[in-house]
Amino acid sequence: KAGVTQTPRYLIKTRGQQVTLSCSPISGHRSVSWYQQTPGQGLQFLFEYFSETQRNKGNFPGRFSGRQFSNSRSEMNVSTLELGDSALYLCASSSEGSGNTIYFGEGSWLTVV
Amino acid sequence: GENVEQHPSTLSVQEGDSAVIKCTYSDSASNYFPWYKQELGKRPQLIIDIRSNVGEKKDQRIAVTLNKTAKHFSLHITETQPEDSAVYFCAASRGTSYGKLTFGQGTILTVHP
Repeated sequence: KAGVTQTPRYLIKTRGQQVTLSCSPISGHRSVSWYQQTPGQGLQFLFEYFSETQRNKGNFPGRFSGRQFSNSRSEMNVSTLELGDSALYLCASSSEGSGNTIYFGEGSWLTVV
Repeated sequence: GENVEQHPSTLSVQEGDSAVIKCTYSDSASNYFPWYKQELGKRPQLIIDIRSNVGEKKDQRIAVTLNKTAKHFSLHITETQPEDSAVYFCAASRGTSYGKLTFGQGTILTVHP
């Protein structure tokens, strides 16, 4: 089985721009969650989607948004980028059939300049 | 919300020694406690997890113990090897929160040959 796939792996954006990151979960997994990883704040939960609905949300500003499609693929968007948004964005998927064990993708490295 | 504290932040051991990393959590409703290993530039990988109906779980050289009364859980690695060197994260979640994990701050484990 293929793992969680994220694209793009690396990107550089300018302050004020927006960015969209994509995630394909493990086949059969319907839950997709997103995390931000930075040296200072560690791993922080952004949001989780299940069957195209946002099921949980972390404490991030409204500039961070996401969505899930009918094939369980997910995208997250960050608008009006700030320097502090530079981070590794990790997507993870899980399924009730696997006891809700959460598996991570390799992440998208975002640098805001 | 949930808060997870992890100690120590860095741990240095000699090859063959044991390593112990401890975490405490605040939400008494948390019932799922995974541990992830993250090597430099790579994804967090699940190494072991425990659920609240179990006090201890072992997988070869790795074991996790859970004390629900005290709200703490620990990772034990025996016979450490240089390839165990990585950052280890503990996490906690409620059964109803599925893809939402609250992570500890991480422990940098270095195993010296």
